Amino acid sequence: KQEVTQIPAALSVPEGENLVLNCSFTDSAIYNLQWFRQDPGKGLTSLLLIQSSQREQTSGRLNASLDKSSGRSTLYIAASQPGDSATYLCAVKRDKLSFGAGTTVTVRA
Amino acid sequence: NAGVTQTPKFRILKIGQSMTLQCTQDMNHNYMYWYRQDPGMGLKLIYYSVGAGITDKGEVPNGYNVSRSTTEDFPLRLELAAPSQTSVYFCASSWGGFWEKGNTIYFGEGSWLTVV
Repeated sequence: KQEVTQIPAALSVPEGENLVLNCSFTDSAIYNLQWFRQDPGKGLTSLLLIQSSQREQTSGRLNASLDKSSGRSTLYIAASQPGDSATYLCAVKRDKLSFGAGTTVTVRA
Repeated sequence: NAGVTQTPKFRILKIGQSMTLQCTQDMNHNYMYWYRQDPGMGLKLIYYSVGAGITDKGEVPNGYNVSRSTTEDFPLRLELAAPSQTSVYFCASSWGGFWEKGNTIYFGEGSWLTVV
């Protein structure tokens, strides 16, 4: 059974600092990994999708890396802003989509 | 383009009551899903559908039922509500199934359900 872990559960940083969010998974036989953003009282918004054959994916200030053999992915957010405050979830896809519990990020102005 | 729309947003149920969470999508997606999210936990798949008339169980189907009479709609029925069903429920849809490699999944804004 696939287990997805996100550590830490919560993170608080001053504005301008770079954010590093971690995701680990137990079964490396995945098709892809997806990072989502969840705002309070809202649904999930897809940020980045990394195929199993890719090492990283970038979108603006966001960069996600994938090391399938070690079961790890990292989401980097450069020059954080208060608007980046949200919960970030990773999900890995094999026969189904397995989610981590998320990391709640607070960016202090 | 509304995407995935869920109603109601909030609901309080008494133990033993029944209710239906509505979900509709306007993206002509074949695949639709219902997830629940408990505090501090990842999302768990309740039921999913690969097209009109076809549904299947996910990880945590007990206490729920679904139907898919049209491509757009995928309602989730709670029969005999129990406190363990207090959760946030998310409907989602995608063009292909979650087992397809490149697929992106789109979520509704969630329905907060409390059973007392």
